[in-house]
Amino acid sequence: AQTVTQSQPEMSVQEAETVTLSCTYDTSENNYYLFWYKQPPSRQMILVIRQEAYKQQNATENRFSVNFQKAAKSFSLKISDSQLGDTAMYFCAFMKHGNNNDMRFGAGTRLTVKP
Amino acid sequence: DVKVTQSSRYLVKRTGEKVFLECVQDMDHENMFWYRQDPGLGLRLIYFSYDVKMKEKGDIPEGYSVSREKKERFSLILESASTNQTSMYLCASSPRGQKDEKLFFGSGTQLSVL
Repeated sequence: AQTVTQSQPEMSVQEAETVTLSCTYDTSENNYYLFWYKQPPSRQMILVIRQEAYKQQNATENRFSVNFQKAAKSFSLKISDSQLGDTAMYFCAFMKHGNNNDMRFGAGTRLTVKP
Repeated sequence: DVKVTQSSRYLVKRTGEKVFLECVQDMDHENMFWYRQDPGLGLRLIYFSYDVKMKEKGDIPEGYSVSREKKERFSLILESASTNQTSMYLCASSPRGQKDEKLFFGSGTQLSVL
């Protein structure tokens, strides 16, 4: 079974600064996907960024980027130029490649962006 | 736009009651999922379904059952609600064989069992 670990229950950052959220995972699979989801107070889960394990290049989406280290099974999220609207719970998640696969999540990191 | 709708945002029930949580998606997705979210534990998979009338147990199925009679609807059933089932419940869906793998989520049902 796959497990996802987020070791930082809470983090805070000053507005406009950079913050990195950590995630490690355990799997014997070679082909899989990794995700970061954001859950603001509205509770709606929003996909922030997605990484395919076979791609060596780290995914980026505007101010969000990842550091994917496949051998170390590490998948951290970097948020640059933090904004107040980035305040949310952030979940790291894992999904095996192929059809009909479920997604497994970490415990989450609560990020607070301070003005 | 993709939409996953959960019938109730907040729900309060009594211990021993039978509880139905409903989820409907309008995207013709084959896969549907029920998670519960608890502080410090993240999202844990309860049950999922890959097609009408089929179901698979997730990591924490005890005390729950599901029903998928129609493709667009996936119901979570608490046969006899207990206080330890007080939690946030999230429904999600995804299409089979999609190129960009991801889940689409509803906005959650906060269930309190008294």
